[in-house]
Parts: sequence; structure tokens; C-alpha cells
Amino acid sequence: ELKVEQNPLFLSMQEGKNYTIYCNYSTTSDRLYWYRQDPGKSLESLFVLLSNGAVKQEGRLMASLDTKARLSTLHITAAVHDLSATYFCAVDSSLTGTASKLTFGTGTRLQVTL
Amino acid sequence: EAGVAQSPRYKIIEKRQSVAFWCNPISGHATLYWYQQILGQGPKLLIQFQNNGVVDDSQLPKDRFSAERLKGVDSTLKIQPAKLEDSAVYLCASSLDPDAQPQHFGDGTRLSIL
Repeated sequence: ELKVEQNPLFLSMQEGKNYTIYCNYSTTSDRLYWYRQDPGKSLESLFVLLSNGAVKQEGRLMASLDTKARLSTLHITAAVHDLSATYFCAVDSSLTGTASKLTFGTGTRLQVTL
Repeated sequence: EAGVAQSPRYKIIEKRQSVAFWCNPISGHATLYWYQQILGQGPKLLIQFQNNGVVDDSQLPKDRFSAERLKGVDSTLKIQPAKLEDSAVYLCASSLDPDAQPQHFGDGTRLSIL
């Protein structure tokens, strides 16, 4: 059974600071997704990482994937309040050429304070 | 582009009653997913459809949950009879084939069992 663990589960950080969220998973996969969820809202796709060494950046967020270590990171640079949300990683265990089958992590609740 | 539509947004029922949720995926998306998200956890896949066929229902509690996707478009998820532990948000998602496409989520139905 695929297990996906995120840490920390809760992160309170000041505006302007940097921090990294970690996502570890238990079986081989070279496809990983990051999603954002605001309270009471649905999930918004942030990044799709499709190979070892993949790095994607959007604004103050940067995601990377190390398939050998079975680790993905979501790095936050100079946090702003608008980034406050819960962030989920999701590992794709589907076969290449088929629709994705995702196992989600536990989520990291990020709170950015002034 | 219209997103994934779900209804109702909220539902409150008593245990042992039945309930149904409806989902209309993004136009052209062949793959449709139903997830259960318990408060404080990541979404858990219940069932995955490819067009109108079931790809994976290994985590669907089949003694009480059922789902169908007639004509390969809209889908309904039913719970009968409901238990207290079914209280959760039920999310529908769809994705565009081929593989490695992000899943797009609806706003979900928040189910409370009394």
C-alpha cells in the first residue's frame, strides 16, 4: 500500500520568511502533484512533476522531485499572507499512458502571520 | 472553461438514511473520480471511471456505497444506509486523458450525519 507522508503537518511562519514542506512516499513513482486547498474550498492544482530532478516554480513557490529518494519538496520564498492555505502532495501510482491515480498526503496547513 | 460542478453543496441526514451526490465533469474529460475527504485529512479515492466504465473501486465500501456514470458524462454517488463515520466532504474530480494531466476538482458536497 502506497503511503504518503508530509511534514510538517502545521506550519506557522512570518511574512518574508522562507520554509520548505516535505513529502515522502513509500513506493516507486516518477509523477507527483501539488495542490492547494483554502478553507471550505476545493483543491487547486499547483504543480505537476513528471520526472526525477523536475523543478517547477510559480511566484513564491517552487516544487522539486527526487524519485530516488522518494521525496518532493515545496519551497516557499518570502512568504506572504495570501499563501495561507493547506498544501497537499499527491503521488501518482498509475501506469504510464493511463489516467492518474492519486494517493494524497496528510496535508500541511500553512499559516503566514504578519 | 466551466469547472467540475457538484450538487448539493451541503447535506444533513440522519444515520441509516440514504443520500445521493451528483457530479458534472469538465466537458471532454474522460476520467472521473470520487474522493472522500474527512476533516483534517487528505482526499481518499473511492472510485475512478474511464468514460462509463469503472477503472478502480477497490476503496469503495460496496456494502453501502454505489456510483454510476451513465453515458460517460455525469456521475452520481450514493450512500445507503449512511453511518456516522461517513461524515465528510465528497469531492468529484475529472481529468483529460492521456496521462499526467492534473485532476480538476469540484467544490465538493459536505455531508453531515446526525
